Amino acid sequence: AQTVTQSQPEMSVQEAETVTLSCTYDTSENNYYLFWYKQPPSRQMILVIRQEAYKQQNATENRFSVNFQKAAKSFSLKISDSQLGDTAMYFCAFMKQGGSEKLVFGKGTKLTVNP
Amino acid sequence: DAGVIQSPRHEVTEMGQEVTLRCKPISGHNSLFWYRQTMMRGLELLIYFNNNVPIDDSGMPEDRFSAKMPNASFSTLKIQPSEPRDSAVYFCASSLWGRHYEQYFGPGTRLTVT
Repeated sequence: AQTVTQSQPEMSVQEAETVTLSCTYDTSENNYYLFWYKQPPSRQMILVIRQEAYKQQNATENRFSVNFQKAAKSFSLKISDSQLGDTAMYFCAFMKQGGSEKLVFGKGTKLTVNP
Repeated sequence: DAGVIQSPRHEVTEMGQEVTLRCKPISGHNSLFWYRQTMMRGLELLIYFNNNVPIDDSGMPEDRFSAKMPNASFSTLKIQPSEPRDSAVYFCASSLWGRHYEQYFGPGTRLTVT
């Protein structure tokens, strides 16, 4: 079974600075997807970024980028120029490609952006 | 275009009562997922449907939980009888078949069982 570990329960950063959230996962699969989801206080789950395991190039979405290290099974999220609206829980998630495609989530990191 | 719609947004009930949570997926989506979020266990998949058929219900905690999808635009998650440990946020998500990597989540239902 796949597992996803987020070792940082809470983090904080000053507005306009850069922060990196860590995620490691365990799988024997070769083809899969990795995700970062944001959950603000409104509770809505919002997809931040997605990475296909077969792609060597790291995914980026505006101020959000990932560092995907397949051999190390590491998938960190970097948020540049942090904004107050980035304050939220961030969840790393894994999905096997093909077969029963289920999202497996980590326990989350609570990020606070301070003014 | 409307996103995934869940109702109610909040539900407070007493132990032993039946609870029904409702979900309307995005129009055209043919895969639907039910998740539960608790402090202890985090976010976990309960069950998912493809074309209204339950595909994987291995995450359903016990027989008190049941889910149905009578048509492409409606699904229910029922708990009978409810217990305090069922208190959680329940999310519904939908996607196109074959594109489960693009799931759109509803706003969730916060269930409190006293």
